[in-house]
Amino acid sequence: DGGITQSPKYLFRKEGQNVTLSCEQNLNHDAMYWYRQDPGQGLRLIYYSQIVNDFQKGDIAEGYSVSREKKESFPLTVTSAQKNPTAFYLCASSIPHWNTEAFFGQGTRLTVV
Amino acid sequence: GENVEQHPSTLSVQEGDSAVIKCTYSDSASNYFPWYKQELGKRPQLIIDIRSNVGEKKDQRIAVTLNKTAKHFSLHITETQPEDSAVYFCAASSNSGNTGKLIFGQGTTLQVKP
Repeated sequence: DGGITQSPKYLFRKEGQNVTLSCEQNLNHDAMYWYRQDPGQGLRLIYYSQIVNDFQKGDIAEGYSVSREKKESFPLTVTSAQKNPTAFYLCASSIPHWNTEAFFGQGTRLTVV
Repeated sequence: GENVEQHPSTLSVQEGDSAVIKCTYSDSASNYFPWYKQELGKRPQLIIDIRSNVGEKKDQRIAVTLNKTAKHFSLHITETQPEDSAVYFCAASSNSGNTGKLIFGQGTTLQVKP
């Protein structure tokens, strides 16, 4: 069953802790993206990667880090430097060269407690 | 930087009426414009898209129009049904750099009243 999978669905973090959100895809897509969704603000780009071992900052990268060691995987770490991490996080993948549809994972809702 | 503005933020219509959502973009190099529908608690899913070499595209009750000169594109839903109720996002993407990254509008919450 092809697709893009995020885990966990819900995540709770204590202040000062780092947490890592998982994103895996088996669509053979080169590009992967992380978006943050807050009410009334749409989807804002955190980081993106066009190819393995390469990634670029998006519009709101501060307090986040990523890695792209495998084509299938693009984990996002929310660090303690992120001042307001409570949000819905969406991972996506696409074939970038043809400007085609981006496929989204089901999302991870992160709550700081 | 690149920016996409979307209006209105909320839209309420009676079942059977039409709904129109409008977006403007800032990057003149943008050439791909998808629309996504997101139901509560679920992932965004593509409902229709248009490329810059086309002015209009239609798929059953859904249509999208593009005005490149004005850097403006719109989603039109006719004969709305309660299951059309959701949040709709427009987005724009440029082919420069082959990043494929999408810049999204702020979203429109559509409510279709039975």
